[in-house]
Amino acid sequence: GENVEQHPSTLSVQEGDSAVIKCTYSDSASNYFPWYKQELGKRPQLIIDIRSNVGEKKDQRIAVTLNKTAKHFSLHITETQPEDSAVYFCAAKKRFGNEKLTFGTGTRLTIIP
Amino acid sequence: DGGITQSPKYLFRKEGQNVTLSCEQNLNHDAMYWYRQDPGQGLRLIYYSQIVNDFQKGDIAEGYSVSREKKESFPLTVTSAQKNPTAFYLCASSIDGGTLGSNEQFFGPGTRLTVL
Repeated sequence: GENVEQHPSTLSVQEGDSAVIKCTYSDSASNYFPWYKQELGKRPQLIIDIRSNVGEKKDQRIAVTLNKTAKHFSLHITETQPEDSAVYFCAAKKRFGNEKLTFGTGTRLTIIP
Repeated sequence: DGGITQSPKYLFRKEGQNVTLSCEQNLNHDAMYWYRQDPGQGLRLIYYSQIVNDFQKGDIAEGYSVSREKKESFPLTVTSAQKNPTAFYLCASSIDGGTLGSNEQFFGPGTRLTVL
């Protein structure tokens, strides 16, 4: 089955700086990679996803990059703000078919004002 | 944040008792999921159901049971066989199980279960 590793487990950055969270996956057949954000006491919510037919996707201050050869993908947050403080989870699955979504272990991001 | 609800928010039970966690969705989603969240371990899949009257075990199904008698409901029972049941439980749903390319999962607010 799929195995997703996520690093770092905790990350602190100064407000305004960039944050990068990295994930690796094991199943070369995986082709859908979402990122979820979970604020303290709240439910996880999808913030961005990428499919294997593209190498990068951006949405305002958030971007995700994918390297299929190396089997890793990363979340980039630029110009960080206090509201970016949360736990971020990466995940992987095969886009079509009934394969389950496999999550990473999460990264607790803290933005220092 | 509406659409998928879980109740109760906090639940306390004595060791050895079975307990059922509720999950309801009005999104008309076919697929529903149960995850367990422990510190430092991310989200681990307990059970999932892609359609009414059908469900599959996830990675950590031992000590848990589910039913899917209605499209909008997917209750999870934590049995006395679960060795370490104290955790935060999240229910989620998606339009389908991914067979049509729709993959986004919408999560409920969670239930924090504490076994005393």
